[in-house]
Amino acid sequence: NAGVMQNPRHLVRRRGQEARLRCSPMKGHSHVYWYRQLPEEGLKFMVYLQKENIIDESGMPKERFSAEFPKEGPSILRIQQVVRGDSAAYFCASSPTGRPNEGYYGYTFGSGTRLTVV
Amino acid sequence: GNSVTQMEGPVTLSEEAFLTINCTYTATGYPSLFWYVQYPGEGLQLLLKATKADDKGSNKGFEATYRKETTSFHLEKGSVQVSDSAVYFCARSNDYKLSFGAGTTVTVRA
Repeated sequence: NAGVMQNPRHLVRRRGQEARLRCSPMKGHSHVYWYRQLPEEGLKFMVYLQKENIIDESGMPKERFSAEFPKEGPSILRIQQVVRGDSAAYFCASSPTGRPNEGYYGYTFGSGTRLTVV
Repeated sequence: GNSVTQMEGPVTLSEEAFLTINCTYTATGYPSLFWYVQYPGEGLQLLLKATKADDKGSNKGFEATYRKETTSFHLEKGSVQVSDSAVYFCARSNDYKLSFGAGTTVTVRA
């Protein structure tokens, strides 16, 4: 039973390019969360998605960032026209229910995508 | 707001030393509390959790007790190993969101 799979592990983009980060949740998990970890900081919530729905995007920057979780395929975090301040580690997590902080199962995190903007 | 404050690092210890990492949280509602560990180049792994006051979470020799009176969830291990070298994050829940502390880097030397 594979865990949460994120790719690529490392991504280098020049300023102004687009970055696409992919996340395949654990089998049987239909809830996906994206977090961003800036250097020397803890993780910050970005967005919560279910299949074909954005539930909460309160942590997403207003511009250039978007996320989707289509009926088929992985969840995608898309950053348009990247800037140096977007350099960070982006982690995806999944859970079987919408209340991952209750009960046994909780979140499962992927290994992250480390984005470097040059 | 829903914030978590944890002891700043880095922390460097010798093998078999006692480790404690302090963590306090804002007392909004009835959060669950967590410690996550991040080994070099890897994602976060849940180390332990506690869901209500006075609960003690434990795993791999680590322990933390949910103290409502002091709004704390300090992490302790009595005898660390080199393999415990990692970044440790304290976190609290807010419904489906986790709020993380800034992380504490722990290095254990042989």
